[in-house]
Amino acid sequence: SQQGEEDPQALSIQEGENATMNCSYKTSINNLQWYRQNSGRGLVHLILIRSNEREKHSGRLRVTLDTSKKSSSLLITASRAADTASYFCATEPLRQGGSEKLVFGKGTKLTVNP
Amino acid sequence: GAGVSQTPSNKVTEKGKYVELRCDPISGHTALYWYRQSLGQGPEFLIYFQGTGAADDSGLPNDRFFAVRPEGSVSTLKIQRTERGDSAVYLCASSFRRTGELFFGEGSRLTVL
Repeated sequence: SQQGEEDPQALSIQEGENATMNCSYKTSINNLQWYRQNSGRGLVHLILIRSNEREKHSGRLRVTLDTSKKSSSLLITASRAADTASYFCATEPLRQGGSEKLVFGKGTKLTVNP
Repeated sequence: GAGVSQTPSNKVTEKGKYVELRCDPISGHTALYWYRQSLGQGPEFLIYFQGTGAADDSGLPNDRFFAVRPEGSVSTLKIQRTERGDSAVYLCASSFRRTGELFFGEGSRLTVL
């Protein structure tokens, strides 16, 4: 089963614009992560935000987490054509004794037009 | 190697055949995961190993699927009596810690005719 759900399913923007993707999830979590996947390739980790954090930055990426609303957003600033990819949020459900698996959403397909 | 290695990268088989997919994780990573990804979907969890033991196999869809990691490094995902619905990309990932960032391989694309 997939816990996270990204919104929108697809996003098309011009180079230089900002891209915002949202993720909603259902259960309490230890952390939330964002991954990127180029077409036909494996996933690459972008950023991890823990349940006690509200915002995190990494280069042109900004992630927010609102545990009361069970939602997160990923902002890519000053987008480039090379940012074209699918972006997935993944949650680590909170379980007694610690949790081990990441549960992925269906992803947002981002296209950045040159 | 530097990253997670998966073989074969592509496998085409006939319905009813047996298939093995191999994953070679990053050296020193104790946690190993198998996911399955269908077209247009996110990765779906199958099984997680901590060392040699399967710590969580709740994602295996049925008893045709089995995975092993006998020495705590390389893992093999085994699918018996393949069905057309098994067609997907099978992704392997490893991690140094139980929680945190996963490092994914490029996947094995399985096509069942």
